[in-house]
Amino acid sequence: GQNIDQPTEMTATEGAIVQINCTYQTSGFNGLFWYQQHAGEAPTFLSYNVLDGLEEKGRFSSFLSRSKGYSYLLLKELQMKDSASYLCAVRRDYGQNFVFGPGTRLSVLP
Amino acid sequence: GAGVSQTPSNKVTEKGKYVELRCDPISGHTALYWYRQSLGQGPEFLIYFQGTGAADDSGLPNDRFFAVRPEGSVSTLKIQRTERGDSAVYLCASSLRGDTPYEQYFGPGTRLTVT
Repeated sequence: GQNIDQPTEMTATEGAIVQINCTYQTSGFNGLFWYQQHAGEAPTFLSYNVLDGLEEKGRFSSFLSRSKGYSYLLLKELQMKDSASYLCAVRRDYGQNFVFGPGTRLSVLP
Repeated sequence: GAGVSQTPSNKVTEKGKYVELRCDPISGHTALYWYRQSLGQGPEFLIYFQGTGAADDSGLPNDRFFAVRPEGSVSTLKIQRTERGDSAVYLCASSLRGDTPYEQYFGPGTRLTVT
């Protein structure tokens, strides 16, 4: 079957750095995506990795290790508006479906 | 430009009824996806269209669910004989193409409540 694991909840302080981990076991792999979802809103795309290594995009970075089935999302200089759920999703094959993890609810405290 | 739109935003229906949920993707996006999301969970894949054809419908839970995209743009998700377990937010997403890793843009969702 398909399995994606993420911590359920995390808490961090404004201005700090937080790392959200994602492990996956899927049949087929063609990329790992991170989405942000505020309560009651649609997910919005944050980053994408298909090769091993780190992708940096402003305050957000994402890392992938395909051999370990592992990714993380790194958020720097946390702001209150970063309080949201962060979804890890694996694209299983060309043009085929995405498998989403359960999401990690991040609370940023002042 | 306009994003993905979905109508209605909320739908309350009685158990056993038929419902249709509509998705208008971003103009020019050939790939369209339907997901459903329950509270506290990530989106669950239902079906993927590339153009007019359903390229992958492996996520549809049973034959009460059906989706069409007759002209390769607007899509309708149809649920027959609704059950209380169908209650969820139904999300639609589109991307420029489906065969390359373009990001998906999600619509605001339709919250379906079956009473």
